[in-house]
Amino acid sequence: SQQGEEDPQALSIQEGENATMNCSYKTSINNLQWYRQNSGRGLVHLILIRSNEREKHSGRLRVTLDTSKKSSSLLITASRAADTASYFCATDPTGANSKLTFGKGITLSVRP
Amino acid sequence: DAGITQSPRHKVTETGTPVTLRCHQTENHRYMYWYRQDPGHGLRLIHYSYGVKDTDKGEVSDGYSVSRSKTEDFLLTLESATSSQTSVYFCAIKGSDTGELFFGEGSRLTVL
Repeated sequence: SQQGEEDPQALSIQEGENATMNCSYKTSINNLQWYRQNSGRGLVHLILIRSNEREKHSGRLRVTLDTSKKSSSLLITASRAADTASYFCATDPTGANSKLTFGKGITLSVRP
Repeated sequence: DAGITQSPRHKVTETGTPVTLRCHQTENHRYMYWYRQDPGHGLRLIHYSYGVKDTDKGEVSDGYSVSRSKTEDFLLTLESATSSQTSVYFCAIKGSDTGELFFGEGSRLTVL
């Protein structure tokens, strides 16, 4: 089964609002990563957070990691219509030789 | 640009025929991955490689084989394609220093 599970499955917000997406996983990890996919394209890496980090920022992105709850959240602030895409979390499990697995993804729609 | 290309980008084939998808990288990275993407399932790992001739199974490896005879190429073979293998296949390479994955543009396979 897939390691990461995102929540919600779909999210629709107005431009300018914040978008929060969650990811839960099952086993110990080295790091957790978030990716974005525009329709018909490959995935693009957004941000990586290591197991010993609790929060990380990159531009309008903020990622948190709670290893005790085995969960992460991705916050996109001041969303734009161009943020419309699918978002995936991926986990790099401990002791699994970089066997990165993905969740099913979240579809984000940002209305102009 | 991570220097990763997939071929073919589109293929239509018939049930029972063999199919080989190729992933080529120009960056000399050690780790390479094959995922399939299907609606409702997100990305699922098929096989991955951690070096020349070193491969391991993912969560959906049945019906697929892989080979990596040189660093730059990772081949995915469907020995006898079935309709359930109709999917979009993504190759990815892992950045040596960063741990993030770089994805190809995908290969859309239709098995009739």
